[in-house]
Amino acid sequence: EDKVVQSPLSLVVHEGDTVTLNCSYEVTNFRSLLWYKQEKKAPTFLFMLTSSGIEKKSGRLSSILDKKELSSILNITATQTGDSAIYLCAVSYSMEYGNKLVFGAGTILRVKS
Amino acid sequence: NAGVTQTPKFRILKIGQSMTLQCTQDMNHNYMYWYRQDPGMGLKLIYYSVGAGITDKGEVPNGYNVSRSTTEDFPLRLELAAPSQTSVYFCASRTRQGENQPQHFGDGTRLSIL
Repeated sequence: EDKVVQSPLSLVVHEGDTVTLNCSYEVTNFRSLLWYKQEKKAPTFLFMLTSSGIEKKSGRLSSILDKKELSSILNITATQTGDSAIYLCAVSYSMEYGNKLVFGAGTILRVKS
Repeated sequence: NAGVTQTPKFRILKIGQSMTLQCTQDMNHNYMYWYRQDPGMGLKLIYYSVGAGITDKGEVPNGYNVSRSTTEDFPLRLELAAPSQTSVYFCASRTRQGENQPQHFGDGTRLSIL
């Protein structure tokens, strides 16, 4: 059964801290790994990772994929209260009709001022 | 840019009632998806479509039906609402151009069945 596991399930940090979120997966026909940020409404796309060892960066957020370990991390440096959200990891895999996503349960991040 | 639009935003149903959740996208995306999100759980795929006239089941299709008569619209139908269908429902779409493209999500429909 295809599955994606995220850890920790939740964490609370203070502004300025650095956090690392983890995602591991067991999926056949892997295509890519995606990170989404979900605040009150729709998940918004952060990163898509397809190649092992290549870091993707956007401001204070960065992510890297390790295909050998079947895992990925999402780093947030100098956290701000606006980073408080659920961070979702999803893995895209090939099916007969196009690609589908399987999601992890998410990591709830709360940044205290 | 409207993107993916879902209606209604909230709805309360009685057990046994039926309703249709609407989803429309203006990005000319071929692929569309319906997910449900329960507290503490990731998004679970209900149904998906790769183009007008083509739909297929996801992980949790029981109790739901879909149709795709146009590229823009992908409604989700609940025929006999049950308390287990209380959830937040998200519609998403993706372009067919290129192998690896992210899905774009609507703002969700919060549905309560009482």
